[in-house]
Amino acid sequence: GENVEQHPSTLSVQEGDSAVIKCTYSDSASNYFPWYKQELGKGPQLIIDIRSNVGEKKDQRIAVTLNKTAKHFSLHITETQPEDSAVYFCAARREKTGANNLFFGTGTRLTVIP
Amino acid sequence: DSGVTQTPKHLITATGQRVTLRCSPRSGDLSVYWYQQSLDQGLQFLIQYYNGEERAKGNILERFSAQQFPDLHSELNLSSLELGDSALYFCASSVTLAGGPWGDTQYFGPGTRLTVL
Repeated sequence: GENVEQHPSTLSVQEGDSAVIKCTYSDSASNYFPWYKQELGKGPQLIIDIRSNVGEKKDQRIAVTLNKTAKHFSLHITETQPEDSAVYFCAARREKTGANNLFFGTGTRLTVIP
Repeated sequence: DSGVTQTPKHLITATGQRVTLRCSPRSGDLSVYWYQQSLDQGLQFLIQYYNGEERAKGNILERFSAQQFPDLHSELNLSSLELGDSALYFCASSVTLAGGPWGDTQYFGPGTRLTVL
């Protein structure tokens, strides 16, 4: 099955700086890569996703890049704010008949220091 | 608010007991997924239902079972509970089984925190 590795496990940045979280996946057939943000006491919330037919996607301060050859994808947050502090999870999914489940990385705890 | 609801929010029980967790998907969503989140394992997929039928199984123990009812809500049953079953259990839903060539977004509920004493 798919194996997703995520680094770093913790990340502290000063407010206004950028944060980068990296993930690698093992299944070359995976073609959908979402990123979720989980705040304390809440469920994961989708913040951005990318499909394998594009190499980069941006939404305001958040961007995701995908390198299919190297099988890795990254989340970039620019101009970080204290409310960006949370645990971020990457995930991968391979489209196949009848199943649609996500394989998650182990999470990155991001702390933005005011 | 994702539109996915889960009850109860917290559950405390003893080893050997049986509990039922409930999930109501977003309006119109036919697929329901159950995930377990523990400190040392991250988010692990348990099982998926689509329109009442089981569609995929992940790392779900034989002591655990699930079903999806005609009104599309789902229940996860955990029996013969052990200390190691203590975790957050999340339900997610999506519109279809795999909409188009790329599938579709999964929306997560707030979770049920299970503590087994």
